[in-house]
Amino acid sequence: ETGVTQSPTHLIKTRGQQVTLRCSSQSGHNTVSWYQQALGQGPQFIFQYYREEENGRGNFPPRFSGLQFPNYSSELNVNALELDDSALYLCASSLAGQGKNEQFFGPGTRLTVL
Amino acid sequence: AQSVTQPDIHITVSEGASLELRCNYSYGATPYLFWYVQSPGQGLQLLLKYFSGDTLVQGIKGFEAEFKRSQSSFNLRKPSVHWSDAAEYFCAVGPTFTGGGNKLTFGTGTQLKVEL
Repeated sequence: ETGVTQSPTHLIKTRGQQVTLRCSSQSGHNTVSWYQQALGQGPQFIFQYYREEENGRGNFPPRFSGLQFPNYSSELNVNALELDDSALYLCASSLAGQGKNEQFFGPGTRLTVL
Repeated sequence: AQSVTQPDIHITVSEGASLELRCNYSYGATPYLFWYVQSPGQGLQLLLKYFSGDTLVQGIKGFEAEFKRSQSSFNLRKPSVHWSDAAEYFCAVGPTFTGGGNKLTFGTGTQLKVEL
């Protein structure tokens, strides 16, 4: 069984740039959630994708957007990067319909915005 | 709105001593409850979960947690801590309805230090 993988591991960008982060879900999972974890904080829910559509969103501006592909992998896109976007971005996959909301996390992508 | 409080930001225990990490939640109904552990620079690993039934749940690495509805708490315990348990621990709640949009709400975490 393949776990959740994310790429890249680390990324450095400058303010105003755009970034794309990628996530491959665990085998058999059909739902992907993205979280932002700022230094010293708990993860904050960005949004979730199910059947290639956004299915729930946290308190993040529209410049945070995403995609889910037919193979259930996902991308997180952030436009017009700000310094406060520096964080660890975590992807989690789960199987919708089980009703247990058990999410499995990847190792994360560390984004630094200069 | 749902929320999770982990009142202890840092905890230091000696190796071999017992451990209890506190977690209180605010939620409109009985939520699903989780404890995750995060080692430095790593993602989150699920330690244990409570969905229903027995209020004392067992997890990996010798951890257990007890759900107390009357106190809205889900404290994590371990009888004897090992040096390798040093990490950050997060409590999380999630909705019980099926389908999508089932976000997890996390606490701010408790950093555990283990003294040898």
